[in-house]
Amino acid sequence: SQQGEEDPQALSIQEGENATMNCSYKTSINNLQWYRQNSGRGLVHLILIRSNEREKHSGRLRVTLDTSKKSSSLLITASRAADTASYFCATDDARYYGNNRLAFGKGNQVVVIP
Amino acid sequence: DTEVTQTPKHLVMGMTNKKSLKCEQHMGHRAMYWYKQKAKKPPELMFVYSYEKLSINESVPSRFSPECPNSSLLNLHLHALQPEDSALYLCASSQNQRQVISYNEQFFGPGTRLTVL
Repeated sequence: SQQGEEDPQALSIQEGENATMNCSYKTSINNLQWYRQNSGRGLVHLILIRSNEREKHSGRLRVTLDTSKKSSSLLITASRAADTASYFCATDDARYYGNNRLAFGKGNQVVVIP
Repeated sequence: DTEVTQTPKHLVMGMTNKKSLKCEQHMGHRAMYWYKQKAKKPPELMFVYSYEKLSINESVPSRFSPECPNSSLLNLHLHALQPEDSALYLCASSQNQRQVISYNEQFFGPGTRLTVL
């Protein structure tokens, strides 16, 4: 079962604009991750935020985590055409120690128009 | 080497065929995964191997049979599949969460696009 759930939005933005997408989950977690998937390809890990962190940056990516609301957001600043992809959040489940299971959210399709 | 490789890239098979998907990693990861992904959907976990032993089977039909011959290889044997099994099959690997519980980033292969006729 999936516990990470993004708002099922398809974003279409102009190059240079910022893109924001959200994710909500249901159980307590150790960490939350964001992955990118280009069309028909494998997923690429973007960033991981631990449950005791509130914000994390990596290049043009900014992730926030609100464990009280069980939600996260991913912001991509100054978007580029190459950012066109699907973005998934994924969570583990802190109730189950060491079972290596990740639950992926529904994903957001982002299209960056040159 | 931070790459997960999968072969073949594309596979077309009939419902009576037997085929195998292969996955390989050389990152020393002791957890390996098979996912199934339909178009415009998130990956669905099928199997997890931990230290070469099957640790999670998400109620996958027996026409899918996983195998982990060693710590670097993962196979998925396919037999008597149905057209609805057509999908992108993704392999992934990670450090085992029992070792590093707060850091289980998964590395994905490019996938095998499977079509069942």
